[in-house]
Amino acid sequence: EAEVAQSPRYKITEKSQAVAFWCDPISGHATLYWYRQILGQGPELLVQFQDESVVDDSQLPKDRFSAERLKGVDSTLKIQPAELGDSAMYLCASSKGTDEQYFGPGTRLTVT
Amino acid sequence: SQQGEEDPQALSIQEGENATMNCSYKTSINNLQWYRQNSGRGLVHLILIRSNEREKHSGRLRVTLDTSKKSSSLLITASRAADTASYFCATDNAGNMLTFGGGTRLMVKP
Repeated sequence: EAEVAQSPRYKITEKSQAVAFWCDPISGHATLYWYRQILGQGPELLVQFQDESVVDDSQLPKDRFSAERLKGVDSTLKIQPAELGDSAMYLCASSKGTDEQYFGPGTRLTVT
Repeated sequence: SQQGEEDPQALSIQEGENATMNCSYKTSINNLQWYRQNSGRGLVHLILIRSNEREKHSGRLRVTLDTSKKSSSLLITASRAADTASYFCATDNAGNMLTFGGGTRLMVKP
């Protein structure tokens, strides 16, 4: 069964450093999402792509976060510089554009 | 911001018992979805109920939706230890963007 791939699974970085996460959605899924999940809370949407275009990034802290999906397939989420409060699970999901979303295993980020 | 609020925040039951989780939301929706998350893992879609539906079943899962009260419930019957996880409701208001609640942490004791 096809799955959403994410890497790395775990990342430890020092504050003020740059960090990047990668996501490869299920083949044929035009819509890709990045979520941030703080421990003990539900996921919060950061950015939604339809193919290579951003549909919504209203919750993305654009002073330090950036996301791209250049060829409309895989995607990268970057944080520069990282802050202590960025420690969280970063989840990628994809969908055919309607209904259910398929989630990857996530990247656990710890900022020290 | 999180639209949905799950209740209870934590639930502990014995294997074989039923588990009921509730979700309330604030604005009108296209559909409401329930997801499960095992500790430290990604989310798995369980069931979707559309705004014009009142009840839906999938295996041991039963979901109800009351749009007049802006609430939904998830019932897991004959629970198993493997059902131990966090359960989240998520509302789709428009554009297939989901807003998740804070989750219910379910523990099923063998």
